Parts: sequence; C-alpha cells; structure tokens
Amino acid sequence: QKEVEQNSGPLSVPEGAIASLNCTYSDRGSQSFFWYRQYSGKSPELIMFIYSNGDKEDGRFTAQLNKASQYVSLLIRDSQPSDSATYLCAVRGAGGTSYGKLTFGQGTILTVHP
Amino acid sequence: DVKVTQSSRYLVKRTGEKVFLECVQDMDHENMFWYRQDPGLGLRLIYFSYDVKMKEKGDIPEGYSVSREKKERFSLILESASTNQTSMYLCASSPPGRNYEQYFGPGTRLTVT
Repeated sequence: QKEVEQNSGPLSVPEGAIASLNCTYSDRGSQSFFWYRQYSGKSPELIMFIYSNGDKEDGRFTAQLNKASQYVSLLIRDSQPSDSATYLCAVRGAGGTSYGKLTFGQGTILTVHP
Repeated sequence: DVKVTQSSRYLVKRTGEKVFLECVQDMDHENMFWYRQDPGLGLRLIYFSYDVKMKEKGDIPEGYSVSREKKERFSLILESASTNQTSMYLCASSPPGRNYEQYFGPGTRLTVT
C-alpha cells in the first residue's frame, strides 16, 4: 500500500462547479497535511495546509481533514479554467527518522473546461 | 521572492557517466531537498539536508549521493548513471522550522541513454 494515495484522475469538471480532490494516508501518526498545485511544465507550489480535524477555508479552496479515517481532501469552489493543474497531496511524518519529511501522493490531474 | 535555481533544464548523459545536478537558493534556507518526479509515481524524496555538510537519506537514495558544502548549494550526484535514472529532478528549499513550505526549482529533465 502506498503511504499517500490520491485518485489519479484525470478529473474533469465544468467551469463554476466544485472540484473535489481526495487523499488517503497510511501513517496514523501523521500530523500535518499539505496541498501543492503544479501547472503543466512548472514546479509545485504550496496552496493549503491543515493540521486539525475539520475544515480550513482559504478563498475558493477548502481543505478537509479526518484523522480517524486517515483522509484529507481539497475542495475548489467555483472552479476556473486557471485551476487546471495537477494537485499533489503531501503528508508530514509524525516523528523519528521521518520527522519533518514530506511524503507526496502521485497527484490528481484536474481539468476545468469552459 | 524565493529563488531556487538548477544548473540545467535539460541534460542528456550516457550510461555509466558521473552526473552532477546543482541547486542554488538565495533565501538563506537551511533545509534543502532533492526529489525525482515520474508519471504515476509523484514526487519521491532522494536526499535532504538540514544544514551544511549534513545529509539524510530519503525514500529512494540508492544510486545517488549528495553534497552540501555551502548553505545555499545542494548537489545531487549520480555516480554511474543508468537508464532507470531518466527522470525529472526537482530541488527544493524551505525555511527553518517550516520544511513543509518548500520552494521548488524549475527542474532538470535528465535523460540517460
């Protein structure tokens, strides 16, 4: 089982819709969770992070965390064509030799069509 | 703005060659990372460093080594390149205490023939 797993997509949504990106992780002790966005041919950039169970909102983006289910998601409201990118879920280890190290999922390709 | 630069965007090497990939950051970041990115596998950590002359293995260190002689520079070395090391290599840096806030360089597309 992969440590961090994402639905690989591609995910296609119409402009204005809600895009839902999902991620599960295997290390139950993980404490911190991150979403990076990577445009085609570009490098990843951090867009959201969440530490506590529940929702965290930032503009059109909402990160959701459920530690009991080992599940983190990213919702993009009012999706725009400019949101079309690969979204990478990343998880930070709880401690020991993995402390501070990010483990990335394989990414979900999102396409928002007009 | 944080700037992370990598020595080459594209590189073609032959099997068995020694390959150096250089990464420089200009924000005095203590943490630096080397990843490779392959389709369907995402970003995989090769090595990272929390300080000068300090290095730690990531998830896939086999076939690679690193060097960090100065704070701003982190080098990835392929001692004897092999075709399965054909990949996109991404360097990143992050501020102390915020290693999740990684700033990535533009990447080096390495092809080993």
